[in-house]
Amino acid sequence: DAGVIQSPRHEVTEMGQEVTLRCKPISGHDYLFWYRQTMMRGLELLIYFNNNVPIDDSGMPEDRFSAKMPNASFSTLKIQPSEPRDSAVYFCASSPQSTEAFFGQGTRLTVV
Amino acid sequence: GQQVMQIPQYQHVQEGEDFTTYCNSSTTLSNIQWYKQRPGGHPVFLIQLVKSGEVKKQKRLTFQFGEAKKNSSLHITATQTTDVGTYFCAGRNNDMRFGAGTRLTVKP
Repeated sequence: DAGVIQSPRHEVTEMGQEVTLRCKPISGHDYLFWYRQTMMRGLELLIYFNNNVPIDDSGMPEDRFSAKMPNASFSTLKIQPSEPRDSAVYFCASSPQSTEAFFGQGTRLTVV
Repeated sequence: GQQVMQIPQYQHVQEGEDFTTYCNSSTTLSNIQWYKQRPGGHPVFLIQLVKSGEVKKQKRLTFQFGEAKKNSSLHITATQTTDVGTYFCAGRNNDMRFGAGTRLTVKP
């Protein structure tokens, strides 16, 4: 398996634009997590899914953020409209049950 | 909700010195995991502790899980330059919430 795959690796967009981040988890993993990492706030859990169902989205900062997992092999995190304070590295991670989590390479988002 | 606190935020050591980072949870954890993130990289799993009072070793790294399953520590003996990075603990119930991390720098 190629591991958790995120795309794009880098995204630069203008304020107000819609941004969609993509994640392909490792096949067979039941859990999928979305994190945001910044120097100020560290690794923040935004939302996580279990068997494609969103379980806890209390970390999603605002209504501008939304996440979906239409099937076991794909998830998206969307920001609409984007703002400069959304600039961060966004990580997707997957895990089988409550064991080791595997992280993707991350998407570095810059909103100007 | 669950919160995981980690200290110190930064640690700078001379190569050969020891290093310890501490993690505390506001709630009892089913397990705790430790990750390492190199500069510019992504978190990589190191180990998972499940049992109360558990101690595990990986070469120069020693991991402990508290008796109450609410605190944990990572100790590195005789640090090397390859140990540089940020070490995170993560409290795992169903969700997985990370501490703020301890950034370790090692002076050769």
